[in-house]
Amino acid sequence: KNEVEQSPQNLTAQEGEFITINCSYSVGISALHWLQQHPGGGIVSLFMLSSGKKKHGRLIATINIQEKHSSLHITASHPRDSAVYICAVDNNNDMRFGAGTRLTVKP
Amino acid sequence: SQTIHQWPATLVQPVGSPLSLECTVEGTSNPNLYWYRQAAGRGLQLLFYSVGIGQISSEVPQNLSASRPQDRQFILSSKKLLLSDSGFYLCAWSRGLNQPQHFGDGTRLSIL
Repeated sequence: KNEVEQSPQNLTAQEGEFITINCSYSVGISALHWLQQHPGGGIVSLFMLSSGKKKHGRLIATINIQEKHSSLHITASHPRDSAVYICAVDNNNDMRFGAGTRLTVKP
Repeated sequence: SQTIHQWPATLVQPVGSPLSLECTVEGTSNPNLYWYRQAAGRGLQLLFYSVGIGQISSEVPQNLSASRPQDRQFILSSKKLLLSDSGFYLCAWSRGLNQPQHFGDGTRLSIL
């Protein structure tokens, strides 16, 4: 079993839909990162969180430490949100990555 | 503001040849530095990280090595490339432990 499990692997949505991507992990962590990888390969860090909830614009990330689970939500999705979203758990520089969720938002 | 530079963007090398990928960070001092690899069809994997000059931690035993000759310079090397070294290599920096990481644009390495 992978230490970091993401679901779904692929997600297709219509523009405007509310998106949820889930991440479950089985190891101890000091922080959890959500990353966005664009088709060209470039990666942008969206969130780093160790408890509770964070919000940047239309993106919301939550984490439940007790349940070892995090979710990334996108409200009012847009085609430019199409990318691969990667969950990564951080245990003092020991980073483990999920396989990623490929999101396609259709106009 | 801080920036991270990684080069080259793409590289095609024959099996058995050496490798040197360079990453530099501007606008900050004593960053944590990271090298990641993403093999085709696979997820990201942490290869090396460094918390200071000359300090390298290796996550995965392999054909690669890393060095940090200066505070804001991180180099990924190999003496003899293998086919399995093909992939997308990303450098990243952070201010410290459990801090957001900022990624370079990556190097796409193809081994022939």
